[in-house]
Amino acid sequence: EAGVTQFPSHSVIEKGQTVTLRCDPISGHDNLYWYRRVMGKEIKFLLHFVKESKQDESGMPNNRFLAERTGGTYSTLKVQPAELEDSGVYFCASSQAVWQGLKDEQFFGPGTRLTVL
Amino acid sequence: ILNVEQSPQSLHVQEGDSTNFTCSFPSSNFYALHWYRWETAKSPEALFVMTLNGDEKKKGRISATLNTKEGYSYLYIKGSQPEDSATYLCAFIQSGGGADGLTFGKGTHLIIQP
Repeated sequence: EAGVTQFPSHSVIEKGQTVTLRCDPISGHDNLYWYRRVMGKEIKFLLHFVKESKQDESGMPNNRFLAERTGGTYSTLKVQPAELEDSGVYFCASSQAVWQGLKDEQFFGPGTRLTVL
Repeated sequence: ILNVEQSPQSLHVQEGDSTNFTCSFPSSNFYALHWYRWETAKSPEALFVMTLNGDEKKKGRISATLNTKEGYSYLYIKGSQPEDSATYLCAFIQSGGGADGLTFGKGTHLIIQP
């Protein structure tokens, strides 16, 4: 079974540019989560999709961040325009059962390391 | 902002020795606690999801216990091996989840010395 994949693995952009990160969850997983880890700090929750719907986006830092999950399969996270403080590792995770929610085991992707110069 | 503390921050253990470390969290509105194992340059790997006070879970040489009333979970590794070297993360989830209810600790960085 293929795991959670993320693309790109690394991205270096200049302040003010736009970047789009992609996450492909494990096939059949209805729950999809985005997290971010800024260097030296703990992993922080960004948002949670159930299928194509945003269940909870309370962790999104501001309106420069836009996440989508059209069709309930892969998800994208767009940062526009990027700022220096957006640098970090962005993780995606998925879990299978909608009814279990946050009590279900989450499978993490390898992350995208974003550097904003 | 929830206070989730992991101790110690780092730990050096001799191969073959057993070890344990702690995740402390608020004792109110408990929903779930996740433990992850995270090796450098890899994805965090789920170890356990703990949901009930008194839960004890085991996977090979690794086990975990949960005390929701006092707000802590222990992770134990028996007979440490070099491949156990990793950062161990806990994630505390309060009823409601979300940014205010899902908090990771900073992790315990474990190094097993041959």
